[in-house]
Amino acid sequence: GNSVTQMEGPVTLSEEAFLTINCTYTATGYPSLFWYVQYPGEGLQLLLKATKADDKGSNKGFEATYRKETTSFHLEKGSVQVSDSAVYFCALSVPTGANSKLTFGKGITLSVRP
Amino acid sequence: NAGVTQTPKFQVLKTGQSMTLQCAQDMNHEYMSWYRQDPGMGLRLIHYSVGAGITDQGEVPNGYNVSRSTTEDFPLRLLSAAPSQTSVYFCASSYANSGANVLTFGAGSRLTVL
Repeated sequence: GNSVTQMEGPVTLSEEAFLTINCTYTATGYPSLFWYVQYPGEGLQLLLKATKADDKGSNKGFEATYRKETTSFHLEKGSVQVSDSAVYFCALSVPTGANSKLTFGKGITLSVRP
Repeated sequence: NAGVTQTPKFQVLKTGQSMTLQCAQDMNHEYMSWYRQDPGMGLRLIHYSVGAGITDQGEVPNGYNVSRSTTEDFPLRLLSAAPSQTSVYFCASSYANSGANVLTFGAGSRLTVL
């Protein structure tokens, strides 16, 4: 089956620190990969995505590269801000006709200190 | 504003009571789904629908019913609430697709079952 494994959290960083959040996956077929972010008290929203190997998704200073050889999609940001404090979810979706079933990782809480 | 609207935002039930969580979207999305979010578990798919009149089970369907009589609405029913159903519930929608489409999430409904 399909699964997503995220590094254990929570993660606490100082403002302007470098961020890496690890994500690896197992999938039958050729998945699309996503990072979703959940700000406090809100629903999830897409942060970035990649649909094929070696694609790099990027948004708001965050980046992740689809690595098929290592089955990974690690999230990085060069300089985090307090406003980046949120829960981050890695997810995958394998095309299955008319479905959009996402498989999520457990999520990791990021807290950024001023 | 266009998007996914969930009601109520908060609800407290007693064991054995029934209730319906409402979900409506105004983006003409074919696909709609319900997830529950529990600490340390990430998001788990409860039920989904690929169009009006069509529903299917997700990963954790027991204790929940759904129906899809219109494109816009996808209510989630708890027929006899149990404490194990205490959770935050998210409705999400997207266009029917290849699996790479992005889900739009509602703001969530927090349910407590005593």
